[in-house]
Amino acid sequence: NAGVTQTPKFQVLKTGQSMTLQCAQDMNHEYMSWYRQDPGMGLRLIHYSVGAGITDQGEVPNGYNVSRSTTEDFPLRLLSAAPSQTSVYFCASATFFAPGELFFGEGSRLTVL
Amino acid sequence: AQTVTQSQPEMSVQEAETVTLSCTYDTSESDYYLFWYKQPPSRQMILVIRQEAYKQQNATENRFSVNFQKAAKSFSLKISDSQLGDAAMYFCAYRRAGGTSYGKLTFGQGTILTVHP
Repeated sequence: NAGVTQTPKFQVLKTGQSMTLQCAQDMNHEYMSWYRQDPGMGLRLIHYSVGAGITDQGEVPNGYNVSRSTTEDFPLRLLSAAPSQTSVYFCASATFFAPGELFFGEGSRLTVL
Repeated sequence: AQTVTQSQPEMSVQEAETVTLSCTYDTSESDYYLFWYKQPPSRQMILVIRQEAYKQQNATENRFSVNFQKAAKSFSLKISDSQLGDAAMYFCAYRRAGGTSYGKLTFGQGTILTVHP
């Protein structure tokens, strides 16, 4: 029972490089989201999706792009990495039938030099 | 916008003792949900307990219980009979009721709980 799977777990980028964080869930959840976790700031919502083909911005969307072509996958793209994007990123999913009960991936630690 | 505040960056407790983690929130909504999430050192976050704002009864899950004070906008987590496995970062979170908000949570800053043997 995989749940929510994120890859890669660790990544080092140089300023200006682009990359994609992958997220997949096998629970047929309608809702998927990306958060970033920074010390002293908790988790902040970047982007979210309530179903295939539907995405919307969260609290801190600048510099990130998402798409949702299937129910299972929700990749997060960093268009031109900046040091301010150094963070731990979490993908989470939820079903309409259990509001707020997010299932999280293990996280991806990104360092931008 | 809703805000969630955890004023205790760190807490510690002796094994088998009881500890209470504090959380306050600010909202103009009358219907919402509150949560406590646990993030162990392995980093995968899990749900500990959930409270619906329309319910007056405080939620309990085994050794975990909450003290929900709606008027004061306070939502504390009590851990009884603390165990070494309770050591983690704990996050308080808020969610509006209804619509497409069902996965959009606002999190507090987190409280690191240390359990001493």
